[in-house]
Amino acid sequence: ETGVTQTPRHLVMGMTNKKSLKCEQHLGHNAMYWYKQSAKKPLELMFVYSLEERVENNSVPSRFSPECPNSSHLFLHLHTLQPEDSALYLCASSQGSSISYEQYFGPGTRLTVT
Amino acid sequence: DAKTTQPNSMESNEEEPVHLPCNHSTISGTDYIHWYRQLPSQGPEYVIHGLTSNVNNRMASLAIAEDRKSSTLILHRATLRDAAVYYCILRGGWQKLVFGQGTRLTINP
Repeated sequence: ETGVTQTPRHLVMGMTNKKSLKCEQHLGHNAMYWYKQSAKKPLELMFVYSLEERVENNSVPSRFSPECPNSSHLFLHLHTLQPEDSALYLCASSQGSSISYEQYFGPGTRLTVT
Repeated sequence: DAKTTQPNSMESNEEEPVHLPCNHSTISGTDYIHWYRQLPSQGPEYVIHGLTSNVNNRMASLAIAEDRKSSTLILHRATLRDAAVYYCILRGGWQKLVFGQGTRLTINP
């Protein structure tokens, strides 16, 4: 257990559905992240939030919409996804914004788009 | 972010030390060297990080070359649970972790 939980762990959705992924950290951290891990590709950073403010958006399509209501919770809202969006979506948190801080990852949500 | 080069795979035996190399010849003076690992079906796990001096923690040791162009992650006594993909990452930009392909470590019983 890393102190970062993600729900659901598995999700199957059609291309016309709307769903949300949830992440919660119990570490008192101030920064949270969404990553995407596709098969046979390196981890890709999607979004970064620091003190509930989005500080980075790595050219992610608008069908992915993040939300950070407070420093402990992070959501990724999904709508009209494509089959190529099927991947493992990982949430992470870190203590602060300094590059010296390590990140703690959740177990991920395995998303399948049909 | 500066690039790192790691072997695609390595193999070792249980209860023996493992030395995982990483080359980062274009490292800048402010880049931190981070190591993460990812066990099968899990999210990445932080292992260790350092800037200039060698570092030790309960999981591993990090040996950093004097010119900082390479580093080695040392697992002192490998167990089967250490089988994972190990990522060596330089962090110079603000908060960005850029994962490469990593080294797949296999531990033989």
